[in-house]
Amino acid sequence: QMQLQESGPGLVKPSQTLSLTCNVSGGSINSDGYYWAWFRQFPGKGLEWLGYSYRTGNAQYNPSLKSRISISVDRSKNEISLTVTSVTAADTAMYYCARTKLSGRVDPWGQGTLVTVSS
Amino acid sequence: DIQLTQSPSSLSASLGDRVTITCRASQSISSYLHWYHQKPGKAPQLLIYATSTLHTGVPSRFSGTGSGTDFTLTINGLQPEDFATYYCQQGYMTPWTFGQGTTVEI
Repeated sequence: QMQLQESGPGLVKPSQTLSLTCNVSGGSINSDGYYWAWFRQFPGKGLEWLGYSYRTGNAQYNPSLKSRISISVDRSKNEISLTVTSVTAADTAMYYCARTKLSGRVDPWGQGTLVTVSS
Repeated sequence: DIQLTQSPSSLSASLGDRVTITCRASQSISSYLHWYHQKPGKAPQLLIYATSTLHTGVPSRFSGTGSGTDFTLTINGLQPEDFATYYCQQGYMTPWTFGQGTTVEI
């Protein structure tokens, strides 16, 4: 059974860079037809898709963050990474990694990691 | 971006009740509509994908219907473990978007 586990700093200062890693176990990120995505959920519970990457590194991002976000895959480590630059308090959220299909179906999800942006 | 509007935002129900949640899209999304539920402190979990296909292990009391812009999630015979927040999500076009959620309470 595939499991995803996010990791990274829980506190980031404003204007700095948020960097998270997602380790995939019980399956390979080299699997054909699956994309590896990041989502976030704000304290008010709204969910937002941030972007996804294929195993080749071909990525697509939410235009709302397009200039600040990068998603990459490391096939040797079976990991996915997320970077968001120039963070503000509005980036405070629970961040989830997940496996997706191009149809938008998301399963499974990681357990999530809370990131707070504060000085 | 495609907007998804769920109704109601919350509802109170009893064990054994039939519950219906609707999700309306701001434009046609064909059948690219998925449903998730989320319990407090947990990640969302896939319930139904492509409008009406139950994810592996999801009980048959859950069902989904719809097409185009109007979709429905129905729970027939509410069970204790069904008290949660339910979200719809469209995968028709990026950016993928979610409804605001419907909380099912006792």
